[in-house]
Amino acid sequence: RKEVEQDPGPFNVPEGATVAFNCTYSNSASQSFFWYRQDCRKEPKLLMSVYSSGNEDGRFTAQLNRASQYISLLIRDSKLSDSATYLCVVYGGSQGNLIFGKGTKLSVKP
Amino acid sequence: GAVVSQHPSWVICKSGTSVKIECRSLDFQATTMFWYRQFPKQSLMLMATSNEGSKATYEQGVEKDKFLINHASLTLSTLTVTSAHPEDSSFYICSGIRETQYFGPGTRLLVL
Repeated sequence: RKEVEQDPGPFNVPEGATVAFNCTYSNSASQSFFWYRQDCRKEPKLLMSVYSSGNEDGRFTAQLNRASQYISLLIRDSKLSDSATYLCVVYGGSQGNLIFGKGTKLSVKP
Repeated sequence: GAVVSQHPSWVICKSGTSVKIECRSLDFQATTMFWYRQFPKQSLMLMATSNEGSKATYEQGVEKDKFLINHASLTLSTLTVTSAHPEDSSFYICSGIRETQYFGPGTRLLVL
């Protein structure tokens, strides 16, 4: 089983749609969780951290279920500019080592 | 956010040559930097952890004699791909830590 698994997509949605991405991780001792956004041929950039209680940042909501080892990202009212690859990232190492999923590609159409 | 730069952003070289990539933390000191590699349609894979003033720690399967890492100062880490081959063609990204990981813009290496 891969350490971090995501549905690769692509998710093709119209503007204004709500879209949800899921991610599972294998190491139950993982400590921190993040969603990164990566635009085509660019470096990944932190979108938001994921907390056990769930957290929201504008149109983005992240949730964590430690028992199921499952992380989700919900994007409401999708914008064209949301088109990117969304990487589920888990911190599990002692030296600040991040483990990346393969990413889920989102394409928002007019 | 913090700024990490990489140079060069693009490299095209002949098979057998060595390529040096620089990673700089511009507005913070990074005692630890990370080097990642990303092949097309794949996730970022950690290659090595670069520690200022000491030897780098390499991930399993990454040849330390092929990917030489030097972290001589708190703001600079270099990755040298020695005797590069076409299979080394990839997107190399470094990162430094300040509150969270900040990534450099990446270096695209194409070995002909």
